[in-house]
Amino acid sequence: AQSVTQLGSHVSVSEGALVLLRCNYSSSVPPYLFWYVQYPNQGLQLLLKYTTGATLVKGINGFEAEFKKSETSFHLTKPSAHMSDAAEYFCAVSLTGTASKLTFGTGTRLQVTL
Amino acid sequence: KAGVTQTPRYLIKTRGQQVTLSCSPISGHRSVSWYQQTPGQGLQFLFEYFSETQRNKGNFPGRFSGRQFSNSRSEMNVSTLELGDSALYLCASSLDIGGADTQYFGPGTRLTVL
Repeated sequence: AQSVTQLGSHVSVSEGALVLLRCNYSSSVPPYLFWYVQYPNQGLQLLLKYTTGATLVKGINGFEAEFKKSETSFHLTKPSAHMSDAAEYFCAVSLTGTASKLTFGTGTRLQVTL
Repeated sequence: KAGVTQTPRYLIKTRGQQVTLSCSPISGHRSVSWYQQTPGQGLQFLFEYFSETQRNKGNFPGRFSGRQFSNSRSEMNVSTLELGDSALYLCASSLDIGGADTQYFGPGTRLTVL
């Protein structure tokens, strides 16, 4: 079975500062990894995903993540935070095969201050 | 293309009643998955449908059921509602079935059980 751990339920950064949201996964087979963002009273929006190939993945809104197999990590970063980045971020894993089931982490709420 | 739509957006029910939620996937998408989101349990997978067949099921009691129609639209039903069923129910669609496919989420149906 697969699982996802997101370290830090709340992260606060200043506008313009580096954003780093941590995600570690556990999987018995090579995983597919996703980051989603959720704004209040909305559904989930895909930021980026890793399936195969290049381990550094670039997504929307200036976010990127690097798949590190040796560390079983998929941390999300953005060089410079913007007020509009304040939201909840979820890391998720799915497995190879014929199921689309996503297993989510518990989420990290990002606060951006002036 | 229109995104995933879910109806209704808000529902208030009382214990013991049943409820049906509807999801229309993105045009051309054949797989529909359902998730429950609560503050205590986070995002949990309910079930997945593809070609009108349930392909995968999460760890929920039999009170939770679903179906998919020939046009890929899906419904989920919860019978004998309990207070703990209060949650945001999210529907997601993807082109095909498989872990690498991106799931696109709707805005959710917020169910309140009194």
